[in-house]
Amino acid sequence: RKEVEQDPGPFNVPEGATVAFNCTYSNSASQSFFWYRQDCRKEPKLLMSVYSSGNEDGRFTAQLNRASQYISLLIRDSKLSDSATYLCVVEGGNNRLAFGKGNQVVVIP
Amino acid sequence: DTGVSQNPRHKITKRGQNVTFRCDPISEHNRLYWYRQTLGQGPEFLTYFQNEAQLEKSRLLSDRFSAERPKGSFSTLEIQRTEQGDSAMYLCASSLGKTNEKLFFGSGTQLSVL
Repeated sequence: RKEVEQDPGPFNVPEGATVAFNCTYSNSASQSFFWYRQDCRKEPKLLMSVYSSGNEDGRFTAQLNRASQYISLLIRDSKLSDSATYLCVVEGGNNRLAFGKGNQVVVIP
Repeated sequence: DTGVSQNPRHKITKRGQNVTFRCDPISEHNRLYWYRQTLGQGPEFLTYFQNEAQLEKSRLLSDRFSAERPKGSFSTLEIQRTEQGDSAMYLCASSLGKTNEKLFFGSGTQLSVL
């Protein structure tokens, strides 16, 4: 089983709509979780950390479910500028961060 | 610019040649990571350093790959006897080394092996 699994999509989302996706992780001892955003041909950049209590940053909400070993990202009121690949990142032990394949989001006007 | 810097941006080489990439992390960052990314995949962990100590190497990293960080500042990644399967974007990232903190990535070195 891969350390981090994501459905790559693409997720085609009408502008203004809400989109949500999950990723699952295999290491039950993982303590740190993140969502990174990667634009085409660019480096990944941190979008948000994911805390046990969940967290929200503007239109973005992240949740962690330790029992089922998944994290989720929800984007409300999608903008054209949200088109990107969203990478799920989980600490895989020994401070090594493992990345998923990414969820490709395409916001359609 | 005080971000993570990688050189070269692009490298085209013939199969069997050796290549070396350089990464200059953000100056106060003591952790440095190397990742590899191919089209449609997420970054794949290769190795990481805490200061000059190489703390972990991926099992996927063959003996042809070697990384150094001799003075705990910049790092080099060398690939010997390159193969076409080595073609990828090689990403370097750095961090302060605290728990639950973010990585800062460089723009990467795109390697094409012909």
